[in-house]
Amino acid sequence: DSGVTQTPKHLITATGQRVTLRCSPRSGDLSVYWYQQSLDQGLQFLIQYYNGEERAKGNILERFSAQQFPDLHSELNLSSLELGDSALYFCASSTRALTGELFFGEGSRLTVL
Amino acid sequence: AQSVTQPDIHITVSEGASLELRCNYSYGATPYLFWYVQSPGQGLQLLLKYFSGDTLVQGIKGFEAEFKRSQSSFNLRKPSVHWSDAAEYFCAVGAPHSGGGADGLTFGKGTHLIIQP
Repeated sequence: DSGVTQTPKHLITATGQRVTLRCSPRSGDLSVYWYQQSLDQGLQFLIQYYNGEERAKGNILERFSAQQFPDLHSELNLSSLELGDSALYFCASSTRALTGELFFGEGSRLTVL
Repeated sequence: AQSVTQPDIHITVSEGASLELRCNYSYGATPYLFWYVQSPGQGLQLLLKYFSGDTLVQGIKGFEAEFKRSQSSFNLRKPSVHWSDAAEYFCAVGAPHSGGGADGLTFGKGTHLIIQP
């Protein structure tokens, strides 16, 4: 158990819909990262937050947004969903602003029909 | 931009045999290097990391990796695999930041390890 909690574990929705994925980092970790894992693209970095502030942005679509709240949990919002958004979304946390060891949650599997 | 190549999509090894998983990176200087393992239905777990110093690093579960600057490689090895090692293995590279740590991680596409009895 990494200490990172992601909900929901599975989510099935339709094209055009909006979903929110939630992540609770390990106790004391200030950094949260979101990654998308798909068969064709592999693991893609989406976005990082550190202590409530956006710190780094990767290949995140404009239809996607994220935030980190004062209690340090984070949410990834995916809107106007397309079939190609079906993937496993991972949250990871670390103690530092800069990446050392990342602790990953078990992921949220999103299926868009 | 940094990138990671794991040339082997699948590798099959007999239980008890030795293992080497290949990883090549592209980066202008010496990056920070990582190996992660993902078991089915699980998140990724760090096996080992290289930041500086001794180029042979030891990790958990009996794994080790060797950083070879001349070959831009960071191959993962284990002398004798166990059935429980069957998983997906990811190599990752991070750009060192002046403040310490790595500024983001780029992952390879992974190598799927199959263990034959």
